[in-house]
Amino acid sequence: EAQVTQNPRYLITVTGKKLTVTCSQNMNHEYMSWYRQDPGLGLRQIYYSMNVEVTDKGDVPEGYKVSRKEKRNFPLILESPSPNQTSLYFCASSSDPWAFMNTEAFFGQGTRLTVV
Amino acid sequence: DAKTTQPTSMDCAEGRAANLPCNHSTISGNEYVYWYRQIHSQGPQYIIHGLKNNETNEMASLIITEDRKSSTLILPHATLRDTAVYYCIVRATSGTYKYIFGTGTRLKVLA
Repeated sequence: EAQVTQNPRYLITVTGKKLTVTCSQNMNHEYMSWYRQDPGLGLRQIYYSMNVEVTDKGDVPEGYKVSRKEKRNFPLILESPSPNQTSLYFCASSSDPWAFMNTEAFFGQGTRLTVV
Repeated sequence: DAKTTQPTSMDCAEGRAANLPCNHSTISGNEYVYWYRQIHSQGPQYIIHGLKNNETNEMASLIITEDRKSSTLILPHATLRDTAVYYCIVRATSGTYKYIFGTGTRLKVLA
């Protein structure tokens, strides 16, 4: 079954404690992206990756890092989480970056992060 | 960057057509408009996309104005399961891989 898997689904952590949210896709997609969703702000893009070792900033990259060492995985790293990073996070993938938003785009089920 | 504007919320009676508008007056000439929806807090799901002509699929129809400054998503016979947040999405800047979701329209289908 084609899917994008995020882990963990829920996470409560303390300010400053490094954490990683994993994202894995089984469709051999080249394009992957991370979004955060906050009430009243919709979904905002954090980082995206065009392929292995190719990443770029989205609209809200501050406080986040990503890596793309292999095609299937695109982890989101918070080196020193702060309460303003409390949010719902989504990972997404697509086989074609230019057609990212058409039927080939798959989203994970989300990770709800709380930083206290 | 391009920008989308949608009403915050709308209600629709079950079985009636739901018409969801979106303003995207800053879109460039060769960029598509995409519509996704999000049920509860699940991952967004694709609905439809279009460039200039009207589009229709098994889920919905998309009407794009001739000047491409706005579009309307039409769910022809809304059901309770169509209750969701609907996002009109455009590329932030032509030639980039960044997409703007906006805040979406919360559609509530009423029994």
